[in-house]
Amino acid sequence: NAGVTQTPKFRILKIGQSMTLQCAQDMNHNYMYWYRQDPGMGLKLIYYSVGAGITDKGEVPNGYNVSRSTTEDFPLRLELAAPSQTSVYFCASSYSSPGLAPYFGPGTRLTVL
Amino acid sequence: GENVEQHPSTLSVQEGDSAVIKCTYSDSASNYFPWYKQELGKRPQLIIDIRSNVGEKKDQRIAVTLNKTAKHFSLHITETQPEDSAVYFCAASDFGNEKLTFGTGTRLTIIP
Repeated sequence: NAGVTQTPKFRILKIGQSMTLQCAQDMNHNYMYWYRQDPGMGLKLIYYSVGAGITDKGEVPNGYNVSRSTTEDFPLRLELAAPSQTSVYFCASSYSSPGLAPYFGPGTRLTVL
Repeated sequence: GENVEQHPSTLSVQEGDSAVIKCTYSDSASNYFPWYKQELGKRPQLIIDIRSNVGEKKDQRIAVTLNKTAKHFSLHITETQPEDSAVYFCAASDFGNEKLTFGTGTRLTIIP
């Protein structure tokens, strides 16, 4: 199993540009998450999904959009990138039970200039 | 919503000594408490977790304790080694709520 994969690993965007961060998992997890981690800080939940076709907002959803058309894929869309979105983005997935601890992907380091 | 506080933010211990990191949570409905380790430039990785029906759990040099009455839980690392140097995050959730709330992290440095 590849686990959780994310592409790209690194990206530099100009202010106002858009992009999609890709995330895929092959563990048949029904829950998937997007977190951002600012330098030296903790993890903030952006969006999550409990299954295909179902998404919901986390703590910091503004400026982002997601979709979940399949169990495996959970892309994160950034529209009109801003310097405040400079961060490391982690995708994660988990089973709904018995435990909820997500398994994280390797991350995408995004810089907006 | 849930709020998780984590202390200390930085911790330095001599190799071979023990390290303790503490977290408090606000939502009495929370019943699942995982701990993650994040090495520099890497992804967070689960190292141990505990459910509210258990007061303590051990895995080799790592242990977690939970005090539901006081709403706090702690990570204990014994016989620390240089490879234990990392940032450690606690988290809390309610099984009815799919979202984990993370603490702000503790940077642990093991001094050889």
